[in-house]
Amino acid sequence: ENVLTQSPATLSLSPGERATLSCRASQSVRSYLAWYQQKPGQAPRLLIYDASKRAIGIPARFSGSGSGTDFTLTISSLEPEDSAIYYCQQCSDWPLTFGGGTKVEIK
Amino acid sequence: QVQLVQSGAEVKKPGASVKVSCKTSGYTFTGYYIYWVRQAPGQGLEWVGRINPNSGDTYYAQSFQGRLTVTRDTSISTVYMELSSLTSDDTSVYFCARVRASGETWFDPWGQGTLVTVSS
Repeated sequence: ENVLTQSPATLSLSPGERATLSCRASQSVRSYLAWYQQKPGQAPRLLIYDASKRAIGIPARFSGSGSGTDFTLTISSLEPEDSAIYYCQQCSDWPLTFGGGTKVEIK
Repeated sequence: QVQLVQSGAEVKKPGASVKVSCKTSGYTFTGYYIYWVRQAPGQGLEWVGRINPNSGDTYYAQSFQGRLTVTRDTSISTVYMELSSLTSDDTSVYFCARVRASGETWFDPWGQGTLVTVSS
C-alpha cells in the first residue's frame, strides 16, 4: 500500500500568512495526487487534483505543486474560513489511500 | 446541480448488517463511478469500495472483502452500501462520492455522510 505522510500535523498561523502543507508518498504517484479540505461536521471538498489543478470554484489562493513522492499545498494568504483539516489522496496505486491530515488553525 | 443525498444515521449491534443509500441527482447516473469512503470518529479517511453504475461492476478494498456489497438501482439513480458482520471498529461516518469526471478517481462532490454506530 502506498502510504501518504502529511506534515505538520497542526499548523497555527494568522490571517494573511502563508501556509505550506506537505504530503510525502512512500512510492511514486507521478502526478496522481489530490488535496481535500474538511471542516467539522462536513464532507471533504476537493481543492486540487492532478497535483496542481484547482477544482471548480476553488479560490486562487490555493495552489498545489510536486510530483513523484513530494507534494505541497500552499495557501498564499490565509482567510479565517480556511480553518480546517486538509487531506491528500493518491490514485496512482490500489488501494486508494489518504494521508493522515494536517489541521490548519487560524490564530 | 449535482447532488448526493445519503440515508440517515444508524445504530446497530455487533454482528448485524447495515445498508446505507446514496441518492444522486443532477447528472447522468450511469456516466460516473460512485465510491464509498469512511471516517472513524476523529480519524482520517479510508477508501471502502466503488461501483460502476452503468455495468454494476464493483471493486472493494481488501479489508472489506467478504462482508461488503455495493449495488445500484438505475431506475432511481441510487447506490447502496451494505456492510455485514459489524464490529465496533466499523463505527464511522460513511460517505459516498462521485468521481469528478468520467475516468478519474478524484471525488467531487460528496454526500453529506451517514453515521453508523455499532454498539451493544
